[in-house]
Amino acid sequence: DAGITQSPRHKVTETGTPVTLRCHQTENHRYMYWYRQDPGHGLRLIHYSYGVKDTDKGEVSDGYSVSRSKTEDFLLTLESATSSQTSVYFCAISLSPIYEQYFGPGTRLTVT
Amino acid sequence: KNEVEQSPQNLTAQEGEFITINCSYSVGISALHWLQQHPGGGIVSLFMLSSGKKKHGRLIATINIQEKHSSLHITASHPRDSAVYICAALPPGNQFYFGTGTSLTVIP
Repeated sequence: DAGITQSPRHKVTETGTPVTLRCHQTENHRYMYWYRQDPGHGLRLIHYSYGVKDTDKGEVSDGYSVSRSKTEDFLLTLESATSSQTSVYFCAISLSPIYEQYFGPGTRLTVT
Repeated sequence: KNEVEQSPQNLTAQEGEFITINCSYSVGISALHWLQQHPGGGIVSLFMLSSGKKKHGRLIATINIQEKHSSLHITASHPRDSAVYICAALPPGNQFYFGTGTSLTVIP
C-alpha cells in the first residue's frame, strides 16, 4: 500500500471556524489531490498539486484553499467552514495524471 | 452534469456468479481508472487502462475507446467482493471525472 496518511481522521467543527486537513505521503509522488465524497455524487476534485508550491483548482474549489510547501505534505484549508462542507475528504497521490491514483484513508468532517 | 455514468447503480449476486459493471463517458479520454471502495471507506486502485483489456486475478477490465465504454468483470464472485466499484475517466488535462459508483453485494 502507498504510504498516505490523513489527519485528523474525524473532526466536528462549528460553522464559521477555520479548518485545516493534512495529507502526508512517503512515496515521493509528484501529484497530490484533494477530493470530497458526498452521497449521490462521485468523488469531486477540490484542488490538486503538481509540485511544491504548484497548485490548481478543481471543479469544486470555492471555499477551499491549499498549500504545498514540501513534497510530502498537502494541506487543505476551509477558511470559514459551512454546513455544505460537511463531507468525507480524500487525499490521493500519483506519479502523473495518467498513472493510477492511491488514496488516503479519508477524513470525515462535520460542520454544525 | 456527470461526464461519467455507471450501471447498474446497485447489484446483488449469488456467490459464484459472473458480474459485469459498466461505465460510459461522454468525452474523449486519455485513460480510465477502476477503483474499489469497501464499506469501511478505503479506496483501492484496481486498474488503469487506456486501451484493450487488463486482468488481475478474478477481475477483468476492458475498454472500447471508440464507443466510450468500459466494463469491469468479476468471475466466480465471492462475498468479499462486496464493495462499491467506481470508474473515473481522464479527459486531456489533469482532472479525473468520477462515476457515482456501483454498489455490489454478493450473497453466500
